[in-house]
Amino acid sequence: DQQVKQNSPSLSVQEGRISILNCDYTNSMFDYFLWYKKYPAEGPTFLISISSIKDKNEDGRFTVFLNKSAKHLSLHIVPSQPGDSAVYFCAALSGGGADGLTFGKGTHLIIQP
Amino acid sequence: NAGVTQTPKFQVLKTGQSMTLQCAQDMNHNSMYWYRQDPGMGLRLIYYSASEGTTDKGEVPNGYNVSRLNKREFSLRLESAAPSQTSVYFCASSYRGEKLFFGSGTQLSVL
Repeated sequence: DQQVKQNSPSLSVQEGRISILNCDYTNSMFDYFLWYKKYPAEGPTFLISISSIKDKNEDGRFTVFLNKSAKHLSLHIVPSQPGDSAVYFCAALSGGGADGLTFGKGTHLIIQP
Repeated sequence: NAGVTQTPKFQVLKTGQSMTLQCAQDMNHNSMYWYRQDPGMGLRLIYYSASEGTTDKGEVPNGYNVSRLNKREFSLRLESAAPSQTSVYFCASSYRGEKLFFGSGTQLSVL
């Protein structure tokens, strides 16, 4: 049973436009959410996170929105740049999370020139 | 800063062979993790160590063993490799479990 779902395996966006990546979760105990970015042949790197007590967190071109009632979060990238082409993983944890993050399957974002 | 270092980067095994993947972190983190990444499956947790001296099973522990050698090092052992264990393996560490820092991965093929 998949607790973190990224239903779009890939997404193609034109350079300069907004990229919106979506993530849904089923476990009500999740209280912290993260987005990771992964380039080929590299490990995932942390991008941005949000606590369940917030509904928005911004860091430069990246904004994460959390809708707890819908168990949905989204990552907005504005404006999209060629270097943003990568696989993006949504992840969640509960209660401090020393037992590890639960990841979605990832969305491959392709930025078209 | 080295961060999380994994060795080897690539490995080819025959079915039934054994091997150990090594991982070390220099960030003084308490927790360490082993994940595997398969096409279309995302990252799945194999084992984790919340603190030095403890290890626990994750989502997909069968066929693997781990050792938390000290605070810095966390190794993953395949006792008898199977083709189903062909994957990319990532080691990660964190201070308290919220933000994980990943190594660059080990690509393992079992023939």
